[in-house]
Amino acid sequence: QKEVEQNSGPLSVPEGAIASLNCTYSDRGSQSFFWYRQYSGKSPELIMFIYSNGDKEDGRFTAQLNKASQYVSLLIRDSQPSDSATYLCAVDIQGAQKLVFGQGTRLTINP
Amino acid sequence: EADIYQTPRYLVIGTGKKITLECSQTMGHDKMYWYQQDPGMELHLIHYSYGVNSTEKGDLSSESTVSRIRTEHFPLTLESARPSHTSQYLCASSRDRGREETQYFGPGTRLLVL
Repeated sequence: QKEVEQNSGPLSVPEGAIASLNCTYSDRGSQSFFWYRQYSGKSPELIMFIYSNGDKEDGRFTAQLNKASQYVSLLIRDSQPSDSATYLCAVDIQGAQKLVFGQGTRLTINP
Repeated sequence: EADIYQTPRYLVIGTGKKITLECSQTMGHDKMYWYQQDPGMELHLIHYSYGVNSTEKGDLSSESTVSRIRTEHFPLTLESARPSHTSQYLCASSRDRGREETQYFGPGTRLLVL
């Protein structure tokens, strides 16, 4: 079992709809969780981080963390074509002292 | 805004050549990382450093080597480049801030070995 797992997609969502991206992790002791966006040919850029159970909102983005079920999700409201990218989930695995990245989910927003 | 730089951005080189990919950051971050990523594929950690004179191998075996003589500088060297080394190399850095430790990425170096 991979430490961090994401559905690789592609996930296709119509413009204006809500895009929902999911990530599960194996280490119950993990404390910090990050979502990065990576456009094709570019480097990853941080969108959000979360470390408390529940929701964290930033503009059109909401991160949701459920430590009991060991998953973290990213919701993108009012999806725009510019949101089309690969979204990487990263987890600060306890004891590893480094982030472990999932394989990424490719998201396409259709006009 | 993260200040992390990589040079060159693109490199085409012949088999057997020695190459050094440069990475520098001006944020005073203690931790630095090198990742390898093929197009459309996942990130693979190949080296990391938690401070000067500290380097560790990552999860993906790599023939490259790294050094950390100065806090701001973390170069990656390939002694003899091969076509299998063709990939994108991403450098990242972070400051130890407990739960809010965030990695910031450089723009990457695209390497093509002929």
